[in-house]
Amino acid sequence: GAVVSQHPSWVICKSGTSVKIECRSLDFQATTMFWYRQFPKQSLMLMATSNEGSKATYEQGVEKDKFLINHASLTLSTLTVTSAHPEDSSFYICSARPPGREYEQYFGPGTRLTVT
Amino acid sequence: EDQVTQSPEALRLQEGESSSLNCSYTVSGLRGLFWYRQDPGKGPEFLFTLYSAGEEKEKERLKATLTKKESFLHITAPKPEDSATYLCAGNDKIIFGKGTRLHILP
Repeated sequence: GAVVSQHPSWVICKSGTSVKIECRSLDFQATTMFWYRQFPKQSLMLMATSNEGSKATYEQGVEKDKFLINHASLTLSTLTVTSAHPEDSSFYICSARPPGREYEQYFGPGTRLTVT
Repeated sequence: EDQVTQSPEALRLQEGESSSLNCSYTVSGLRGLFWYRQDPGKGPEFLFTLYSAGEEKEKERLKATLTKKESFLHITAPKPEDSATYLCAGNDKIIFGKGTRLHILP
């Protein structure tokens, strides 16, 4: 149980274009999902908390107009990187919190974004 | 400022050589200390949650313990397949340490 998927697993896009990443909880409903980014040999940095049916809460320093998050259903959250630049190239990972497990998160496999 | 610090950054062990990874934290109002395993190019895989000092949890060759200031991940008689980066994280919003890259030599 507690399986989270992400799509795509990797994507290459040109500078200035937008990219959408999907995060799905496959066998449970998640009212809360999280988005992280990870640079090589660095730890995960929380970008935002996504709550179903409401606006995402962004961490300090994360541009909400650049990283658009939508949590339209209890099993799907999307992250759209708008007007991507090479410095946005990173490993983006989502996680979802199963109901009743207030302090646990289960992670997706990650999406490798490369902006050329 | 809430902080999670892991040591060592990297560790190389011979197969069967037991050791411990350290996670020290300064997190106000800690509500949970989490251990994850991450393989290259993959998302973290949940291992343990510890909630209170003195608590211990085990899974195969791994055992996690928690004190008021730090947590240890003990690995007993490791095998090459235990090679990965082990991350610890604290609190509700999950503040991650930088991880320990563990490499087990056959």
